[in-house]
Amino acid sequence: GDSVTQMEGPVTLSEEAFLTINCTYTATGYPSLFWYVQYPGEGLQLLLKATKADDKGSNKGFEATYRKETTSFHLEKGSVQVSDSAVYFCALHNTNAGKSTFGDGTTLTVKP
Amino acid sequence: DAGVTQSPTHLIKTRGQQVTLRCSPKSGHDTVSWYQQALGQGPQFIFQYYEEEERQRGNFPDRFSGHQFPNYSSELNVNALLLGDSALYLCASTVKGDSRGGYTFGSGTRLTVV
Repeated sequence: GDSVTQMEGPVTLSEEAFLTINCTYTATGYPSLFWYVQYPGEGLQLLLKATKADDKGSNKGFEATYRKETTSFHLEKGSVQVSDSAVYFCALHNTNAGKSTFGDGTTLTVKP
Repeated sequence: DAGVTQSPTHLIKTRGQQVTLRCSPKSGHDTVSWYQQALGQGPQFIFQYYEEEERQRGNFPDRFSGHQFPNYSSELNVNALLLGDSALYLCASTVKGDSRGGYTFGSGTRLTVV
């Protein structure tokens, strides 16, 4: 079945540091890929998406590229801020199954 | 523009009891999916509803059931509660046929079973 593996956390960075959170997946067919962010006490918010190979999703300075050859969708940001502290989830959506499969999340803490 | 709203926000139930959680999808969305998020884990798919019928189901027992109403709102029912049912229950909505666009999630209902 479908699965998503995320880099284990927690990750602690200083403000303005470079961020990478690794994500790899296993899926049949051609899933769409997503990054969601969850702030304390809230639901998940869609951060960015890519629907086909070589697509780059971007939002709020975050980027991720759909790499079919390596089945990866790594999240990057060039300069993190304290306000980026949250839990980040990588996910794939299997259209045939009508559902998304999520990784276990990576907790990011950014210190001033 | 209201997003996805869920109620209640928190709930405490005793083992063996039954619970109903409610969800109103984002305006313009007609498809509702329910997910269970255990502490420290990613959400797990329970089921999906559109056109008032369950369309897809994850690996959850029959104790978990749902309903969708003509106004697209939805309920999740869990019978014979177990301690292991304690989790954050998330409702997510989309437009039918636009699943590649990603979900809009509600803030969830925190269920504690004691």
